[in-house]
Amino acid sequence: EIVMTQSPATLSVSPGERATLSCRASQSISNNLAWYRQKPGQAPRLLMYGASTRATGIPARFSGSGSGTEFTLTISSLQSEDFAVYYCQQYHDWPLTFGGGTKVEIK
Amino acid sequence: QVQLVESGGGVVQPGTSLRLSCTASGFTFSEYGMYWVRQAPGKGLEWVAVIWYDGSSKYFADSVKGRFIISRDNSKNTLFLQMNTLRAEDTAVYYCARDFKANHGDPYNWFDPWGQGTLVIVSS
Repeated sequence: EIVMTQSPATLSVSPGERATLSCRASQSISNNLAWYRQKPGQAPRLLMYGASTRATGIPARFSGSGSGTEFTLTISSLQSEDFAVYYCQQYHDWPLTFGGGTKVEIK
Repeated sequence: QVQLVESGGGVVQPGTSLRLSCTASGFTFSEYGMYWVRQAPGKGLEWVAVIWYDGSSKYFADSVKGRFIISRDNSKNTLFLQMNTLRAEDTAVYYCARDFKANHGDPYNWFDPWGQGTLVIVSS
């Protein structure tokens, strides 16, 4: 099983500032990585796939990078709706696995 | 618009069974792979099962293999999860999710969109 590790577990950021979230795979997954945002009490929403392609309707302040085992999600200027939990997910191999999540909170 | 609505959750005793449903609308259900993903209270996400667009292939997480069955009725735009021999650790919100794109081959294996989820509590 491919283990996905996200860091940090919690990130404290002020509105308007940049947030950088990391995701590491236990083995190479090429660019077979998706990112999701989950607001409190809601279902997750797809942000990125292919490590760096924004999903439909996702604003340009979100960007993704990386390949192999190291990946980054960057939010260039945090808006109120971005304070949430973010998950990465690999789809390189079965079973599909998620990282443990990074909570982005208001500083 | 695309909508996924789960139902069937509730409180059940360990060792019993429960069947979840996910009713889809706003897209051609029969052309998409479908998934179940769960989230234990206060915890992260765990993929549970996938079924190909035509039901021809299915995969399960090891944690549910042999106990859970995924199926679909394309004539009724409905996805199912039959959960047998339930355990306390199966307590979670269960989400159904659609594959990224219509595909008459292997699924893309990322999830868009998700339903709102249904809560399953396994407790004596």
